[in-house]
Amino acid sequence: GAGVSQSPSNKVTEKGKDVELRCDPISGHTALYWYRQRLGQGLEFLIYFQGNSAPDKSGLPSDRFSAERTGESVSTLTIQRTQQEDSAVYLCASSLLAGGYNEQFFGPGTRLTVL
Amino acid sequence: DQQVKQNSPSLSVQEGRISILNCDYTNSMFDYFLWYKKYPAEGPTFLISISSIKDKNEDGRFTVFLNKSAKHLSLHIVPSQPGDSAVYFCAADSGATNKLIFGTGTLLAVQP
Repeated sequence: GAGVSQSPSNKVTEKGKDVELRCDPISGHTALYWYRQRLGQGLEFLIYFQGNSAPDKSGLPSDRFSAERTGESVSTLTIQRTQQEDSAVYLCASSLLAGGYNEQFFGPGTRLTVL
Repeated sequence: DQQVKQNSPSLSVQEGRISILNCDYTNSMFDYFLWYKKYPAEGPTFLISISSIKDKNEDGRFTVFLNKSAKHLSLHIVPSQPGDSAVYFCAADSGATNKLIFGTGTLLAVQP
């Protein structure tokens, strides 16, 4: 069966531009998570969705970051006015239900480079 | 404030020997711990987990040990194989927040 997919796989942008990163979770998974991994660091939680609502946005680094999910399926992470410190691999994961007891399945990530 | 710490950024082990990866945490509310494995250019994949009511969980060559009093867990791989070479992340969950807190990872290299 299809796993979690993310697009694009790589994105190079200029400082100040907006970017959109897409995540297609496993069908039927109600929970969806966004993480980022900056060079040499661990996975940093950004936001999670239960259905289409986001109970926890505490990890979003600034108001330039936003995310939405529609149809309990696809999610988009938008970064406005990108900065060089936004360069990272952005990972999406989904699980059947929310909560750490439910295995999270990760996509391959989007590598974002801000010049 | 790093709540989950993996103090060894890398580890090199000979094929057939034991690999021991360590993880420390600071939040006593964490009650579920996981290890994920990550190959380059791929997303992490779940490896093994342990609940705080246990002190050991075994799955084939992989065993996770939890020492709650020391707030320490470790992953043992025996025997180590070259295909085990990857980055290993420790993660923790408090059950109340529905999110995992990850460590910084340990790069394991198993030498043939």
